[in-house]
Amino acid sequence: DSGVTQTPKHLITATGQRVTLRCSPRSGDLSVYWYQQSLDQGLQFLIQYYNGEERAKGNILERFSAQQFPDLHSELNLSSLELGDSALYFCASSRRAFANTGELFFGEGSRLTVL
Amino acid sequence: GQQLNQSPQSMFIQEGEDVSMNCTSSSIFNTWLWYKQDPGEGPVLLIALYKAGELTSNGRLTAQFGITRKDSFLNISASIPSDVGIYFCAGQNYGGSQGNLIFGKGTKLSVKP
Repeated sequence: DSGVTQTPKHLITATGQRVTLRCSPRSGDLSVYWYQQSLDQGLQFLIQYYNGEERAKGNILERFSAQQFPDLHSELNLSSLELGDSALYFCASSRRAFANTGELFFGEGSRLTVL
Repeated sequence: GQQLNQSPQSMFIQEGEDVSMNCTSSSIFNTWLWYKQDPGEGPVLLIALYKAGELTSNGRLTAQFGITRKDSFLNISASIPSDVGIYFCAGQNYGGSQGNLIFGKGTKLSVKP
């Protein structure tokens, strides 16, 4: 158990819909990262928050947005969903802004299926 | 952006065999890391490498940080069924606005008892 909690574990929805994925980081971790894992693309970095502020942005679509709340939990919002958005979405956390030991603690992921 | 090329994409081996996989990049990294993802789980850090040329072991796993800082390899000796999973290399450069890990596409390992 990494200490990172993600909900929901599975989500099935239709194209055009909007969903919210939630992540609670490990106790004491200030950074939250979101990754998308699809079969052909591996783990793609989407976005990072540190202590409530956006820290780094990766390949995140404009239809996607995220935020980190004062209690440090984070939400990833996916809107106008397309079939290609079906993937496993991982949240990870680290103590500091730069995960300077390279260690990220990953949750078990939220599997999104868009029909 | 930076990309990592990880190979092989998949491996099917017999229990007891040794395994080797590698990762290359067109640009340098300050840190190389190897993660393992068990089925149905999130990735977990196996080994972290911080210096060019560094060779580090963790049980049956050995990893090296390439001299050029553009590559790394992971060896698993005497594989066992619980080695099954997806192995990801990751590179990191930190400082400024950087810091997020760049992952390879993974090597899927299957071990036949």
